[in-house]
Amino acid sequence: GAGVSQSPSNKVTEKGKDVELRCDPISGHTALYWYRQSLGQGLEFLIYFQGNSAPDKSGLPSDRFSAERTGGSVSTLTIQRTQQEDSAVYLCASSLASEGYEQYFGPGTRLTVT
Amino acid sequence: QKEVEQNSGPLSVPEGAIASLNCTYSDRVSQSFFWYRQYSGKSPELIMSIYSNGDKEDGRFTAQLNKASQYVSLLIRDSQPSDSATYLCAVKKPASGGSYIPTFGRGTSLIVHP
Repeated sequence: GAGVSQSPSNKVTEKGKDVELRCDPISGHTALYWYRQSLGQGLEFLIYFQGNSAPDKSGLPSDRFSAERTGGSVSTLTIQRTQQEDSAVYLCASSLASEGYEQYFGPGTRLTVT
Repeated sequence: QKEVEQNSGPLSVPEGAIASLNCTYSDRVSQSFFWYRQYSGKSPELIMSIYSNGDKEDGRFTAQLNKASQYVSLLIRDSQPSDSATYLCAVKKPASGGSYIPTFGRGTSLIVHP
């Protein structure tokens, strides 16, 4: 079946602009995760959804970052007033449920803030 | 102490050899353990999951878990140059609100040379 999809695959934006990144999880997966990976760095957890609710927002780096999920499916990560340090690959993953199950990653969105 | 620790490497092995990748974790309540492979410029892909002590084999891959020692490893038999990648260890434990958030290690770079 279809895997996790993300759009856009690449995004170049000017400093100060807002961006929206989209994630479409595997059908039937109730848990959805957002991560950020800077060049040569590990995965940084941002936020997690179980259904439409986000029990854990602890990883969001600042109040410029927000995310929502509607219909228990598609999620959008929004970064307001982008800064150069926001440049990274943003990865989305989904799993059947939160507890125990494997995560499957999308291809990522490469964000470059100029 | 980091929650999930991996030697960054690079680990260099000759083609056909066994590659041994190690991961330690700090929190004894951790319940689920995963190995991912990440090629340069790509997103992580799941190799194996393991939930109970002992060995779990899948083709050329064997995951080993020792909860008493808080140690999980991945063995790759008959290593091939195509196995050259960064290997990420991920550990899930219960978090607030009934959620299970995976924590990723920084990854070990594996180089298999012909």
